[in-house]
Amino acid sequence: NAGVMQNPRHLVRRRGQEARLRCSPMKGHSHVYWYRQLPEEGLKFMVYLQKENIIDESGMPKERFSAEFPKEGPSILRIQQVVRGDSAAYFCASSSGGGSYEQYFGPGTRLTVT
Amino acid sequence: SQKIEQNSEALNIQEGKTATLTCNYTNYSPAYLQWYRQDPGRGPVFLLLIRENEKEKRKERLKVTFDTTLKQSLFHITASQPADSATYLCALATQAGTALIFGKGTTLSVSS
Repeated sequence: NAGVMQNPRHLVRRRGQEARLRCSPMKGHSHVYWYRQLPEEGLKFMVYLQKENIIDESGMPKERFSAEFPKEGPSILRIQQVVRGDSAAYFCASSSGGGSYEQYFGPGTRLTVT
Repeated sequence: SQKIEQNSEALNIQEGKTATLTCNYTNYSPAYLQWYRQDPGRGPVFLLLIRENEKEKRKERLKVTFDTTLKQSLFHITASQPADSATYLCALATQAGTALIFGKGTTLSVSS
C-alpha cells in the first residue's frame, strides 16, 4: 500500500510534554500539508512543506508548534508543552505538485492531552 | 469575511434516491474545488476535483457542478446506497498547489 502513512495513530500526552507526529507521503509525492480537526469543527490548514522547505505556515500557531520535512525521512509536526486545547485529530496530506492538485490524506493521529 | 459553508449538517435519504449536497462560498475566488468523503475515525478520501473553468465533472455515480456566478458547488450521488453513508467535505483552493479551505461537512445517512 503506497498511501500516506501517519504514526502514531493515537498519542496520549500529559500537559507540558512534547508530541511528535510523523507523516510519510505517498510514493513520488514531495508536497506535504498538515491539517488539524477539532471535535465538531472542520479541517483547518496548519502548514505546507516541500522537501527541506516550509512553503506556507500561515495556519500554524506562533508558539509551541513547528514542522519539518527533511531531505530523508518523514515529515514531523512537533508540539512542545502540550495543553488540553491541543487535543485533536492531526491529518497529513500529500500531493505530487506540478499539474496535479489533489491532496491525499493519511489516517490521522489522534492526540489526547490529559 | 471569507466563508465556505455546507448548508446541511445532516441529510437523510432513502436507498436508490439521489443525494444532493451543497457547498457555498463567499469572498473567495477559487481556482478549483474538491470533494472528499470522511468516515468516522478515518482520514478524508479524495473523490472529485473541478476547476473554475469547468461546469460539471462525473465519476461513476458521482457528479459535481461548479457555478462561479452563484459561488456554489453541488455534489450529487445517484442511486444512493447505505454504503454511501459518511460525511462529505467540500474544499477549495485559491491557487494551484496551495492549502485547502474546508467546509464543516454534511453527514449523509442512506437508509435501506
